[in-house]
Amino acid sequence: GAGVSQSPSNKVTEKGKDVELRCDPISGHTALYWYRQSLGQGLEFLIYFQGNSAPDKSGLPSDRFSAERTGGSVSTLTIQRTQQEDSAVYLCASSLVPTEAFFGQGTRLTVV
Amino acid sequence: AQSVTQLDSQVPVFEEAPVELRCNYSSSVSVYLFWYVQYPNQGLQLLLKYLSGSTLVKGINGFEAEFNKSQTSFHLRKPSVHISDTAEYFCAVSYTNTGNQFYFGTGTSLTVIP
Repeated sequence: GAGVSQSPSNKVTEKGKDVELRCDPISGHTALYWYRQSLGQGLEFLIYFQGNSAPDKSGLPSDRFSAERTGGSVSTLTIQRTQQEDSAVYLCASSLVPTEAFFGQGTRLTVV
Repeated sequence: AQSVTQLDSQVPVFEEAPVELRCNYSSSVSVYLFWYVQYPNQGLQLLLKYLSGSTLVKGINGFEAEFNKSQTSFHLRKPSVHISDTAEYFCAVSYTNTGNQFYFGTGTSLTVIP
């Protein structure tokens, strides 16, 4: 596609449920990033995929969070047993080279 | 450790006044530097970037930034702000020795007052 696509744009879920957030990067981009932006906060790095290398998972806040990237393209961020503090906007970005990262519009997750 | 520091979390400024948003990074190697803008309820879009060459970089909407290697800074400036500039601004850096990883600051909320 022309840009980074994220779905859904909004997600409301009940506490304790699992959620999956999807990111479709720009075609050909080898790097993919997930960030979390809580209300009034900056960007919190979650995970980084680069080609076929092992992902950098150092930003995942707990073992309830996981992400995968299939075929070097689409990525899914999974949050298990959601908690209210997981409510945030989850942003995905992709890049081909370290000269610009392109962001999606984000998924706004609300845990009630 | 690699890091980006945005010293001001909130900057209020009157319309048509100048503004400077500060950004410092930690590095002893070559860097690429970026400013992104996030308007309310939108994703991030690139405002400008420094890759090499002239240390003064001009971006969209009349913004510019100056790369200062000795001070490891990349401050964003605009000589006269408009109401429409109200947004969150993020400074970011990528290091040429760490592949494609981008590091972001915590953001500066710019509010333009009529």
